[in-house]
Amino acid sequence: DIQMTQSPSALSASVGDRVTITCRASRNIASWVAWHQQKPGKAPRVLIYKASVLESGVPSRFTGSGSGTEFTLTISSLQPDDFATYYCQQYNSYPWTFGQGTKVDIK
Amino acid sequence: QVQLVESGGGVVQPGGSLRLSCAASGFTFNSYTLHWLRQAPGKGLEWVAFISFDGSDNYYADSVKGRFTISRDNSKNTLFLQMDSLRAEDTAVYYCSRYLIRGVPLDYWGQGTLVTVSS
Repeated sequence: DIQMTQSPSALSASVGDRVTITCRASRNIASWVAWHQQKPGKAPRVLIYKASVLESGVPSRFTGSGSGTEFTLTISSLQPDDFATYYCQQYNSYPWTFGQGTKVDIK
Repeated sequence: QVQLVESGGGVVQPGGSLRLSCAASGFTFNSYTLHWLRQAPGKGLEWVAFISFDGSDNYYADSVKGRFTISRDNSKNTLFLQMDSLRAEDTAVYYCSRYLIRGVPLDYWGQGTLVTVSS
């Protein structure tokens, strides 16, 4: 199985900050990575797929990058609506696996 | 609009069984692979099972293999998860979601249904 190691597990940031979350795959998964955002009590929402493709309706302050084993989600200027938990997910092969999550809260 | 609605959750004793359903609407059901995922209280997301568009192929997480069975009825636009030999560690909110091959993975999710395994 492919392990997805996500860091940090939590971070505190202010509105307007640039935020970067990293995910490392245990083996080469090309660009088969998605990033999901989840707010308390809600189902997740996909933000990015195929490592860098922005899902329709997602603000352009979210960008994804990387390929192979190293992937990054960047929020260029954190907004109040962005305080949530973020998960990377590989869909290169079954079983699909998620990172442990990064909780972004208000500093 | 796309809708996925899970049902069938509840409280069950260890060793018991439960069958979850996911009713889909607003898209061409038999074109999509379907997935069950879960989230234990206060924990992260865990992918549980996949079924191909025509039901001919499936795959399970090791944690549920041999105990859970995924199936679908394309005539009724419904996905199922039969859960047997339930354990306390299966307690979670269960979600269904979809994936069009080479498209956006898990682009729509249901609202989730809570399964509690407890004596």
